[in-house]
Amino acid sequence: DGGITQSPKYLFRKEGQNVTLSCEQNLNHDAMYWYRQDPGQGLRLIYYSQIVNDFQKGDIAEGYSVSREKKESFPLTVTSAQKNPTAFYLCASSFYSNQPQHFGDGTRLSIL
Amino acid sequence: GESVGLHLPTLSVQEGDNSIINCAYSNSASDYFIWYKQESGKGPQFIIDIRSNMDKRQGQRVTVLLNKTVKHLSLQIAATQPGDSAVYFCAENMGGKLIFGQGTELSVKP
Repeated sequence: DGGITQSPKYLFRKEGQNVTLSCEQNLNHDAMYWYRQDPGQGLRLIYYSQIVNDFQKGDIAEGYSVSREKKESFPLTVTSAQKNPTAFYLCASSFYSNQPQHFGDGTRLSIL
Repeated sequence: GESVGLHLPTLSVQEGDNSIINCAYSNSASDYFIWYKQESGKGPQFIIDIRSNMDKRQGQRVTVLLNKTVKHLSLQIAATQPGDSAVYFCAENMGGKLIFGQGTELSVKP
């Protein structure tokens, strides 16, 4: 079945460590997105990419980095500069920017 | 500023009743709106969308109403079932980016 796969489901980060969250889609979507969700809140946009080899900062990009080398993949790195990384991270994709975004089931990141 | 907000953080309904979840948006230039359902520990699931050139759109048991005059969006769920219990988010498309509200938690009593 087509869909978006995020891995791992749970991730733990040590102080000063960078971690990378995986997002893969086989929907042939051009656009991909990363969101952060904190408890009891809506989603906030971290980064988005409308086409391969191109991406833009969202509203809360500080402390995060991304790459878009392949259409199917949009990994997110949470760097040590992100001082409050504990959250639920969601990846989404869509055909175009004004089309419905389809989400993966998220990665929950915690600090050790 | 640009924001999407919900009038009620929680909504409790009896099984079989109709549910109405409301959402206010602040930017009159927004041209596309989406409702999502999120169950615990999962990603948001697309329910229904509506573009700004429409006032109403119906799906299976769901209807979205858009009132551009007062910048208000609502989601109506007919004959609410226990499986409808979840958090519902409205999202506003602004320049290719979705802006999400905080969500309304719908609880269905048997």
